Formats: sequence, C-alpha cells, structure tokens
Amino acid sequence: EAQVTQNPRYLITVTGKKLTVTCSQNMNHEYMSWYRQDPGLGLRQIYYSMNVEVTDKGDVPEGYKVSRKEKRNFPLILESPSPNQTSLYFCASSPIPQGPNTEAFFGQGTRLTVV
Amino acid sequence: AQSVTQLGSHVSVSEGALVLLRCNYSSSVPPYLFWYVQYPNQGLQLLLKYTSAATLVKGINGFEAEFKKSETSFHLTKPSAHMSDAAEYFCAVRVTGGFKTIFGAGTRLFVKA
Repeated sequence: EAQVTQNPRYLITVTGKKLTVTCSQNMNHEYMSWYRQDPGLGLRQIYYSMNVEVTDKGDVPEGYKVSRKEKRNFPLILESPSPNQTSLYFCASSPIPQGPNTEAFFGQGTRLTVV
Repeated sequence: AQSVTQLGSHVSVSEGALVLLRCNYSSSVPPYLFWYVQYPNQGLQLLLKYTSAATLVKGINGFEAEFKKSETSFHLTKPSAHMSDAAEYFCAVRVTGGFKTIFGAGTRLFVKA
C-alpha cells in the first residue's frame, strides 16, 4: 500500500530537549516536504527536498532542521524545541511537482506539544 | 506571488442541504488549483484538482468545483451534505511550472442531523 508514515503520532516534550520526527514513504517519490498546521493559518511549509542531499527552506524554517540521506526518509529535527513550535506537523511526498498530475500524499500527522 | 483565501473558517449545514465552500486565489500566471479534505486525526487527502482541461471539475464523494477565471474563484460544492462530509477542507494553488503549493487557512464543515 502506498503510504507516508510519520512517527510518533503524538509527542509531549520539554523546552530545549532535542527531538526527531521521522517520515518515510514507499512510493519512490523525489519530492518530500514538511508542513506545520496551526488554527487559522492552514498549512505552512517548513522545509522541502527535491531529492537525496537536496533540501531547501520553506516559509517557516526557523528552529527546524532536515536531512535527506535516503530517498525514502526525510526526518524533521528540532534541536532545541520551544513552546511556539507546539503544532500539528505533516510530512508529504510526491513526484517532482511540475505539473497538475503530481498529487501529494500526506502522512497521518504528528501532534507535538512543547511545555 | 500567489495566495489563497478561504472565506469562512467554519461552515455549518443541515444534512441534505447544499454545501458551498468558497475559495479565491491570486496568481499572476495560470494556476493549478486543488481541494484537499482532512478528516479528524488524519492527513490530507486530495478531493479534486483543476488542471485547465475543464472548468467544472468533479471529485470524490460527490464534490465538484468550478474554476471561474473572471472571479479568480474555485468554490467547492456538493448538492446534498452527508454526515460523513464533516471535516476540514483546504483549497490550494500551485502556479504552472512552479514547485510550491500554497494552502488556504482551511474551512471546517459541520453537518447537522
């Protein structure tokens, strides 16, 4: 089954404690991205990756890091989480989105609370 | 730069009534337009997309949307709401030749029995 898998689904952590949210896709997609979803703001892109070892900042990259060592995995790293990073996070993958027929597949989401 | 505006953060309809969720976009070049649905505790799922082939687009679960260039709109409709339609709906835009998808703020649809 084609899917994007995120872990964990729920996470409560304390300010400053490094954490990683994993994302893995089994569709051999080149393009992967991370979004955060906040009430009234929709989805905002944090980082994206066009292929292995190719990553770039989205609209709200501050406080986040990513890596793309393998095509299937795109972890999101919070080196020193702060309460304003409390949010719902989504990983998405697709073929390179150059046309209309490149549907994005989303993971189930990770609800992060930083206290 | 492109943007998306969804009018109404919450919409409430009765079961069997017409569903109308509004989306207006801004883009300097012809866009691709999408509607996604998010059910509780799930990720986003593509509902339908406009790709310039036809202005009236039909999607899953009886939803459809009409692209109106003169009004820069891409409103989502369904003739008769069902309880299972209760979810959050996101309109999104991507310019032709561009990689980035811009999402609207979302509209939460409530369906009353």
